Amino acid sequence: SQQGEEDPQALSIQEGENATMNCSYKTSINNLQWYRQNSGRGLVHLILIRSNEREKHSGRLRVTLDTSKKSSSLLITASRAADTASYFCATDGNQAGTALIFGKGTTLSVSS
Amino acid sequence: EADIYQTPRYLVIGTGKKITLECSQTMGHDKMYWYQQDPGMELHLIHYSYGVNSTEKGDLSSESTVSRIRTEHFPLTLESARPSHTSQYLCASSDSRKPYTEAFFGQGTRLTVV
Repeated sequence: SQQGEEDPQALSIQEGENATMNCSYKTSINNLQWYRQNSGRGLVHLILIRSNEREKHSGRLRVTLDTSKKSSSLLITASRAADTASYFCATDGNQAGTALIFGKGTTLSVSS
Repeated sequence: EADIYQTPRYLVIGTGKKITLECSQTMGHDKMYWYQQDPGMELHLIHYSYGVNSTEKGDLSSESTVSRIRTEHFPLTLESARPSHTSQYLCASSDSRKPYTEAFFGQGTRLTVV
């Protein structure tokens, strides 16, 4: 499998705290993406980071990418109860005809 | 809002039945995917396509088949459903002409085989 592990598997925090999720992968990539899933429904794209980028921001989201370690992290700052969801990283390979491969996901619970 | 649709949303069928899960998108995307999602969340790629008449199997071995006769349509067929096929099935699409672009997901089909 192209994808590795995400950790933690589950994370519980209070509103206002920051949440950090990590993702590792195995092969070379073109880009890495983070998605969110509410209650087992379809996934929604959050942010994409290219293989030649090291950090990217979007609102309260901050993504880092370390291609030497084949790892990425997603930081959600000032968490809200509405951030409660499952979060997945996905890698898009370098070669034509490759598919988007997902990690196992992290379940985030934000309590008020 | 993503223009990708899956039907049915929920399906309960008996063992041994043949079923087809439908997935359609109106965005003209060339890449389409089927994922099977465990109750414990992990998404497993079961099939994908990068254009009409091109399909590939994913990492998860599955007794299912797909076809891509039209760009917008990517149905998944189980020839003989088993209880082990009980799962959520997610369809997605993306545009490979844009190398840094996301995939769009349908709302999923929750299949129960009894």
